Amino acid sequence: GAVVSQHPSWVICKSGTSVKIECRSLDFQATTMFWYRQFPKQSLMLMATSNEGSKATYEQGVEKDKFLINHASLTLSTLTVTSAHPEDSSFYICSASNFRQGNSPLHFGNGTRLTVT
Amino acid sequence: RKEVEQDPGPFNVPEGATVAFNCTYSNSASQSFFWYRQDCRKEPKLLMSVYSSGNEDGRFTAQLNRASQYISLLIRDSKLSDSATYLCVVTWGYTDKLIFGTGTRLQVFP
Repeated sequence: GAVVSQHPSWVICKSGTSVKIECRSLDFQATTMFWYRQFPKQSLMLMATSNEGSKATYEQGVEKDKFLINHASLTLSTLTVTSAHPEDSSFYICSASNFRQGNSPLHFGNGTRLTVT
Repeated sequence: RKEVEQDPGPFNVPEGATVAFNCTYSNSASQSFFWYRQDCRKEPKLLMSVYSSGNEDGRFTAQLNRASQYISLLIRDSKLSDSATYLCVVTWGYTDKLIFGTGTRLQVFP
């Protein structure tokens, strides 16, 4: 089945630093990648949608200058949390799909647990 | 009204029981529907897509009722390993944007 690789699985960083998270589709071309954030005991909240070669579309309330998304190729998207603060600590999950293939379901990365101290 | 609503549970059922979850959605134009399973502190994994005619995969049966705008998931002969959170996922209208429900937590006990 389709595999999405997300790296790193967990990261601890100091307040004020930036963290980059990578999301790769390993065996299919991901026309669209999504980035979600999940706080404890809550559902996934979509942060942004990125299509290969174009700017990401951010959801309301998500700061695009803080959460930089790059989708440079059909197999790689990156999320950079800039100037991270403790309130950014969360579980970040990417997902990918090839919507050119119709109603293709999402395939998720294994998530990145970010802790900002 | 929330875009996608689920009863958060938890549903505590004994092994072998049959349990059903419902999920309602607000956008009547939604086109695609899925059930995902999420284990604690892990990423969601696709359990099954939901088709208009209903579909079954082993012990799992999914149904779609467009008129009432809900989907359901039935689990028969529950196993301990079925304990997880089940997320209802719906595309928003005619877009590819996916909306997640908050999930229904299932706990199967011996």
